[in-house]
Amino acid sequence: EADIYQTPRYLVIGTGKKITLECSQTMGHDKMYWYQQDPGMELHLIHYSYGVNSTEKGDLSSESTVSRIRTEHFPLTLESARPSHTSQYLCASTWGPNSPLHFGNGTRLTVT
Amino acid sequence: AQSVTQLDSQVPVFEEAPVELRCNYSSSVSVYLFWYVQYPNQGLQLLLKYLSGSTLVKGINGFEAEFNKSQTSFHLRKPSVHISDTAEYFCAVTHTGNQFYFGTGTSLTVIP
Repeated sequence: EADIYQTPRYLVIGTGKKITLECSQTMGHDKMYWYQQDPGMELHLIHYSYGVNSTEKGDLSSESTVSRIRTEHFPLTLESARPSHTSQYLCASTWGPNSPLHFGNGTRLTVT
Repeated sequence: AQSVTQLDSQVPVFEEAPVELRCNYSSSVSVYLFWYVQYPNQGLQLLLKYLSGSTLVKGINGFEAEFNKSQTSFHLRKPSVHISDTAEYFCAVTHTGNQFYFGTGTSLTVIP
């Protein structure tokens, strides 16, 4: 059973809409991450956080933003969705240097 | 900088045959290594991890991997695959536990 939860699982929206993808974890992990996964499977890091009030951009340029007001919550927001944002978004968390990443089940976003 | 190479993007194998999925990494420092499995429309699930100690690591679903420091490899093996093993497999590495580097994935297809 997953200890990291993502909602919604699937989302279809029109261009220009503002959306927020939710991610919550119950494990008390300080470190949280957002990955974008394209149809070719490769994962791209778009945002990460090492704790409350700490957020950084990842390797892949993204027009999204994140916030980390509470340890357990790491939402991702797109101010104006575009078809190029169509992808799967995976949230993950971990607590320490020898701990693996724990992943949520993902949000599959389609922008029409 | 660290990087992970999964040389085989697709691996077809007959049911009950053995399989090896290859993973090579580049790093000048000691690392922690992981294999994940991803089923359709789901997040990544940890198969196994190498942190230290024995170089042969056993994971879930009958998979195992061997850490080879001299060859900087961490190949995943299973002696007899099942239809249910059809999925995407990702190798990952971290040094600090802050940044994780993923390979581009290997799609394993088990043929009846």
